Amino acid sequence: AQRVTQPEKLLSVFKGAPVELKCNYSYSGSPELFWYVQYSRQRLQLLLRHISRESIKGFTADLNKGETSFHLKKPFAQEEDSAMYYCALSGFGTDKLIFGTGTRLQVFP
Amino acid sequence: DVKVTQSSRYLVKRTGEKVFLECVQDMDHENMFWYRQDPGLGLRLIYFSYDVKMKEKGDIPEGYSVSREKKERFSLILESASTNQTSMYLCASRGRDTSTNEKLFFGSGTQLSVL
Repeated sequence: AQRVTQPEKLLSVFKGAPVELKCNYSYSGSPELFWYVQYSRQRLQLLLRHISRESIKGFTADLNKGETSFHLKKPFAQEEDSAMYYCALSGFGTDKLIFGTGTRLQVFP
Repeated sequence: DVKVTQSSRYLVKRTGEKVFLECVQDMDHENMFWYRQDPGLGLRLIYFSYDVKMKEKGDIPEGYSVSREKKERFSLILESASTNQTSMYLCASRGRDTSTNEKLFFGSGTQLSVL
């Protein structure tokens, strides 16, 4: 069965500190992994996807198939990074997206 | 710019009422989804539709039904609302070609309170 696990409900760091939001998944086929973000009073939006291997707003995420992980990282957190972050999984070529329970990131000044 | 529009931002209903949540997208997307978002539980898929008149159950379909009579519109129906259906409901859409169109576009959500 498809499952996405985000073990941390809340992550609090100070501005300038490194950030790692954990995401582990279980899926028997080839997964597509995504990170979505929801800033306060805004709609949920795509942050990045593993296929494109891009860095968005300083965030990166590497798919580790051996550890079935897709952790989101940023070397220096900014206050504007404070938001709710969701890891999501889709089976390759399928339409359905399954989300984790989310991690709230708080970045203090 | 893709628009996914949910008809109501806030809705208050009484237990036992029939509730309709409407969602419209303007990008000619084949796939549409209904999620509910609850603190500590994240987003859970209720139903999705991959074409007109086609639907599939998600992870928590009990107590809900859906309707997709037109490509741009996907309705979520609570036949008899209950207090445990109080939640934020999110509609989303996505194009058919998932190799180049991975983005799931979300509406702004409908906060439903069932009293």
